[in-house]
Amino acid sequence: DSGVTQTPKHLITATGQRVTLRCSPRSGDLSVYWYQQSLDQGLQFLIQYYNGEERAKGNILERFSAQQFPDLHSELNLSSLELGDSALYFCASSVGGSGANVLTFGAGSRLTVL
Amino acid sequence: DQQVKQNSPSLSVQEGRISILNCDYTNSMFDYFLWYKKYPAEGPTFLISISSIKDKNEDGRFTVFLNKSAKHLSLHIVPSQPGDSAVYFCAASALRTGNQFYFGTGTSLTVIP
Repeated sequence: DSGVTQTPKHLITATGQRVTLRCSPRSGDLSVYWYQQSLDQGLQFLIQYYNGEERAKGNILERFSAQQFPDLHSELNLSSLELGDSALYFCASSVGGSGANVLTFGAGSRLTVL
Repeated sequence: DQQVKQNSPSLSVQEGRISILNCDYTNSMFDYFLWYKKYPAEGPTFLISISSIKDKNEDGRFTVFLNKSAKHLSLHIVPSQPGDSAVYFCAASALRTGNQFYFGTGTSLTVIP
């Protein structure tokens, strides 16, 4: 157990729908990152939050949004889902928001869009 | 644009021999590198890191080598064990611009008993 908790583990939904993925960071970590891993792809960085504020943005689609709450958990909202959004979504956390941090990953949420 | 590349999707090695996993990057601003290991149905777990001020970092059976001029790093596992069978990802970051880590596509290592 890495200490990073992601729910749900699996999610099957239809095109056009909206889903929310949830992440609780490891205790003491202030920074949360979201990554997407599609088939045969590396981990694509989506977005980073540090202590409630957006710190960095990657290849996140406009249909996707995220936030980090005062208790430091984070949610990734995916809307108007398309078949191509089917992927593993990983959340990671780190102590700091910059510098030589190590990311600790959760087990991922597998999203299937039919 | 893939800034971190792992050109070997898979690698098979006999138990006890050396495993060498390679990673190339294109961004000269990258100065901090990590290797992660991933088992099926689990998230990636941190293995070893190296900063650009070093060219080698060792932790037990795992050694990472960094060649800045070639923009290349490698992970050596000696001796390889069946439990090392997993997907290995390299990741790179430019510390001055924050904590955005760029990951490679991974190399699936199989250690044959």
